[in-house]
Amino acid sequence: DIQMTQSPSFLSASVGDRVTINCKASQNINKYLDWYQQKHGEAPKLLIYNTNNLQTGIPSRFSGSGSGTDYTLTISSLQPEDVATYFCLQHSSRPYTFGAGTKLELK
Amino acid sequence: QVQLQQSGAELVKPGTSVKLSCKASGYTFTSNHMNWIKQTTGQGLEWIGIINPGSGGTSYNVKFKGKATLTVDKSSSTAFMQLSSLTPEDSAVYYCARTKDYYVMDAWGQGASVTVSS
Repeated sequence: DIQMTQSPSFLSASVGDRVTINCKASQNINKYLDWYQQKHGEAPKLLIYNTNNLQTGIPSRFSGSGSGTDYTLTISSLQPEDVATYFCLQHSSRPYTFGAGTKLELK
Repeated sequence: QVQLQQSGAELVKPGTSVKLSCKASGYTFTSNHMNWIKQTTGQGLEWIGIINPGSGGTSYNVKFKGKATLTVDKSSSTAFMQLSSLTPEDSAVYYCARTKDYYVMDAWGQGASVTVSS
């Protein structure tokens, strides 16, 4: 199975800050990497798919980049409603595997 | 709009089985694969498997083979997951999630909590 190592596990930032979250795969996942946001008590919501494609309806402050084994989610200017846990998911090969999550809080 | 409505919370005894449902609406059910995902505080998110509603074909995470069985009812646009021989380690929130192009999970159900306790 492909292991997804996500960092940091916890992040505290201020409104307006630029925030980055990273995922490292144990092997090349050919850009088949998605990012999800999960708020407390809710289902995960797709933000970015296949590394850098913004899902319909998601604000443009969210972006993704990466290739090979290393991928990044960036929030260009943190908003209060962005407080959530963020997960990466690789769907390059089965079983699909998730990162452990990054809990993002406001400073 | 695409909606996946899951069945409610379950409290079940060890050794028994439970069948969860996921009713799809807002799209052609047989045009998109359906995934099932397990979420626990300890293990995080785990992909259980995927089913092609058109053909009934399935693919499972080896970890869940023998534990989970995925089926569909095309007439009601509903996907099902049966979990068997339940233990406390099966206590979790289970999600269904539709797949669009390139196996991207773009829409998720609200989740169903399963608690296994005597």
